[in-house]
Amino acid sequence: QVQLVQSGAEVKKPGASVKVSCKASGYTFTRYGISWVRQAPGQGLEWMGWISGYNGNTNYAQKLQGRVTMTADTSTSTVYMELRSLRSDDTAVYYCARGYGDSSVNGMDVWGQGTTVTVSS
Amino acid sequence: DIQMTQSPSSLSASVGDRVTITCQASQDINNYLNWYQQKPGKAPKVLIYDASNLETGVPSRFSGSGSGTDFTFTIISLQPEDIATYYCQQYDNLPLTFGGGTKVEIK
Repeated sequence: QVQLVQSGAEVKKPGASVKVSCKASGYTFTRYGISWVRQAPGQGLEWMGWISGYNGNTNYAQKLQGRVTMTADTSTSTVYMELRSLRSDDTAVYYCARGYGDSSVNGMDVWGQGTTVTVSS
Repeated sequence: DIQMTQSPSSLSASVGDRVTITCQASQDINNYLNWYQQKPGKAPKVLIYDASNLETGVPSRFSGSGSGTDFTFTIISLQPEDIATYYCQQYDNLPLTFGGGTKVEIK
């Protein structure tokens, strides 16, 4: 079955970086893009950006430009999201989610289980 | 950015009640709208895509309608397992944006 499995929880200090992985299975990786969505404690959903599984093209949310990098490894069907210069307000659950196709402008049909990132001194 | 205004932010209803949630976009998004259900501690799950299409495997008591700027999500007969927060999301333009969510509780 189609599945996205994310890496485990992380605790980081302010100013550090975090890299979260999302391994896809059960479908042809290069035919779909992956978005990253985060959710701060008790808050709503925030789209962070998107990466193409076909050619690695990316689109990032403007507020995260310069701090976020998304990459894809087609040999392992894994996408990565790195967030740098972490602040306390980056504390959130981070989700990867497959788009309906290989376009950034898409709904999302399959979601990972989420990775909790805690930023605390 | 396209703003998605969802209402109400929370509601309490009895089992068997009809529940309606609305979502208004700040500009025309055609029918490029999804509805998601999120249970506590879980990832969101898509219920409705393209505003009115039921995702495979989703019970028929869930439905969606609307186009342009005004959208409605309905649970025809609320069940105990429907306790969750529901979100709308537009995919007409980047950045993708979500409504603020509607928390549904049992009265």
